[in-house]
Amino acid sequence: DIVMTQTPLSSPVTLGQPASISCSSSQSLVHSDGNTYLSWLQQRPGQPPRLLIYRISKRFSGVPDRFSGSGAGTDFTLKISRVEAEDVGVYYCMQSTQFPHTFGQGTKVEIK
Amino acid sequence: QVQVVQSGAEVKKPGASVKVSCKASGYTFTSYAIHWVRQAPGQRLEWMGWINADNGNTRYSQRFQGRVTITRDTSASTAYMELSSLRSEDTAVYYCTRECQVWGQGTLVTVSS
Repeated sequence: DIVMTQTPLSSPVTLGQPASISCSSSQSLVHSDGNTYLSWLQQRPGQPPRLLIYRISKRFSGVPDRFSGSGAGTDFTLKISRVEAEDVGVYYCMQSTQFPHTFGQGTKVEIK
Repeated sequence: QVQVVQSGAEVKKPGASVKVSCKASGYTFTSYAIHWVRQAPGQRLEWMGWINADNGNTRYSQRFQGRVTITRDTSASTAYMELSSLRSEDTAVYYCTRECQVWGQGTLVTVSS
């Protein structure tokens, strides 16, 4: 199975300041079809996960443009340009290049 | 609107089985796969398996092979996940999701004697 590792596990951020989360995979996430199936999900307290970013950098419908994704191969990053109060929660990277799909351990974003 | 709605919380004894449903609406059910993901208390999300809602093909995580069965009823636009031989470690919130784009509200399954 592909192991997904996120850093940091906790990220206290001041409102209006940027935040960045890294995710690395134990092997390349480039699929044989040429796409890289790396997604980012947000889970607010008591809520189901919500898709933010798919295929490294594509924002899902309705996701604010302060969220952006980047990376390639085995190293990926989610950035929040200016953290808002509603961004508090746990963020997961997920690979769906290979079965079984696997998730990172989650990064908790909280307000300082 | 596009949504998937899951069945309610369950309490089961060790060794029993549980079957969770996931009813889709607002889109053509057979056009998208349904995945099942679970989250044990304080743990990361864990992918369990997937069903092609069109042809019924399935794929399961090896961790659950032999214990999990995912099915669908196209006439009811509903997918099902059945987990057997339950143990206390299976206590978790179980989610269905349409290709990780649309998520159900989650179903808490508690396994306790």
